[in-house]
Amino acid sequence: GAVVSQHPSWVICKSGTSVKIECRSLDFQATTMFWYRQFPKQSLMLMATSNEGSKATYEQGVEKDKFLINHASLTLSTLTVTSAHPEDSSFYICSARDSGGRSSYNEQFFGPGTRLTVL
Amino acid sequence: AQSVTQPDIHITVSEGASLELRCNYSYGATPYLFWYVQSPGQGLQLLLKYFSGDTLVQGIKGFEAEFKRSQSSFNLRKPSVHWSDAAEYFCAASKTSYDKVIFGPGTSLSVIP
Repeated sequence: GAVVSQHPSWVICKSGTSVKIECRSLDFQATTMFWYRQFPKQSLMLMATSNEGSKATYEQGVEKDKFLINHASLTLSTLTVTSAHPEDSSFYICSARDSGGRSSYNEQFFGPGTRLTVL
Repeated sequence: AQSVTQPDIHITVSEGASLELRCNYSYGATPYLFWYVQSPGQGLQLLLKYFSGDTLVQGIKGFEAEFKRSQSSFNLRKPSVHWSDAAEYFCAASKTSYDKVIFGPGTSLSVIP
C-alpha cells in the first residue's frame, strides 16, 4: 500500500518548451503533496508544498511562474516546468502524505522520480 | 537554522560486516527524525522514524537507529550488511508532524563481496 506514481519517468525536451509531470497517489488520498528537486549526487531540495484545492506554497528561491503546480484532486498533483532551459534539467521527485492516517509522524510516500533533460 | 548533516559522503563495507551511518541534526527541540533509502530507479523508502519514546528504533530490512539527545544524533545501524543494501541513504527531520521535512546530503553505501 501507499504507492505513489510519477509520469513520465523520463522526458527529453527542447529548450523553450513546457513539460508537465504528474504525481498520483494510487491507493490513498493526499491533501498534501510535495515536489522536490535532486541534482546528481545531491540531496532532495524541497521546491514546493502542494495542497489540494489551494495554491501551492513555494520555497524561497523557487520561481512560481516557472514551476507551476496544480493539485486539483486528492490523488493528483502536477508540476509544469514552463519555458524549460538546460539548467532546469534535473531529477524531480514528488511525495505525498496519506490523509487517511498512514502518515503518522509526518511520514511521506515518495514517487520514483522523473528525469528531465532539456536540450 | 534547522539542518541535517551526514558527515560521510560515501562508505564502503564488506558484505556481512556491520554498518553505521551517521546523522546529526540542528533543531531547537527534538524533531521528528527519519531515515530513508533510495535505490536506483526507485522512490525513497522509509526505513524508520522517531519522535519520542524508546531511543532505539527498529526499522525494516534489519535496520535500527539510536537517538542520542546529548549528541543531537540519530545514527543508523545494521549488524550484517547484504549486497542489496547498496544504495543512497538519507537522514531527514521535521520540526513538527506537519512541518516540511529537511533532508541531509545523503550517504552513498557500497557493498563489496
